[in-house]
Amino acid sequence: EAGVTQFPSHSVIEKGQTVTLRCDPISGHDNLYWYRRVMGKEIKFLLHFVKESKQDESGMPNNRFLAERTGGTYSTLKVQPAELEDSGVYFCASSQTGTSGRVPFFGPGTRLTVL
Amino acid sequence: GNSVTQMEGPVTLSEEAFLTINCTYTATGYPSLFWYVQYPGEGLQLLLKATKADDKGSNKGFEATYRKETTSFHLEKGSVQVSDSAVYFCALSPTSGTYKYIFGTGTRLKVLA
Repeated sequence: EAGVTQFPSHSVIEKGQTVTLRCDPISGHDNLYWYRRVMGKEIKFLLHFVKESKQDESGMPNNRFLAERTGGTYSTLKVQPAELEDSGVYFCASSQTGTSGRVPFFGPGTRLTVL
Repeated sequence: GNSVTQMEGPVTLSEEAFLTINCTYTATGYPSLFWYVQYPGEGLQLLLKATKADDKGSNKGFEATYRKETTSFHLEKGSVQVSDSAVYFCALSPTSGTYKYIFGTGTRLKVLA
């Protein structure tokens, strides 16, 4: 079974540019989460999808961040325009639903560097 | 609010040494507690978990006990190996069955041969 995959693994962009991160969850996983770790600090929750619906987006830092999950499969996280403080590692995780206690599987992360 | 505090790293140990990584938490209610590990170049992997007070999670020789009285979930291993070198994250889930995690800052462990 393939794990959670994320693309790209690294991205280096200039301040003011746009970047789109992609996450492919494990097939059949309805729950999809985005987290990020900034500057070696704690990993922070960004948002949670159940299928294509945003269940909780309370962790999204501001309106420069847009997450989508069309069709309830893969998800994208767009940052537009990127700022220096957006640099960090963005993690995606997925889990099944319907059975309580299903712990999410995490992807390897996308390292974003904004110059 | 909810928070997790774990010891600063890096922690450098010789092979077969005893490992403790401290983790304390602040939470309302009855959270579930987790340890995740990130090996170089890989994603976060669940190492162990505990869902209620006095539960002990264990995996791959690692253990952690959910101590409500001290609000702690310290990670221990009796004899570390070079292959245990990684970053370890303590986390809590405020409500059982949901996974809006609160993570600690991570502790890098380096084990020398």
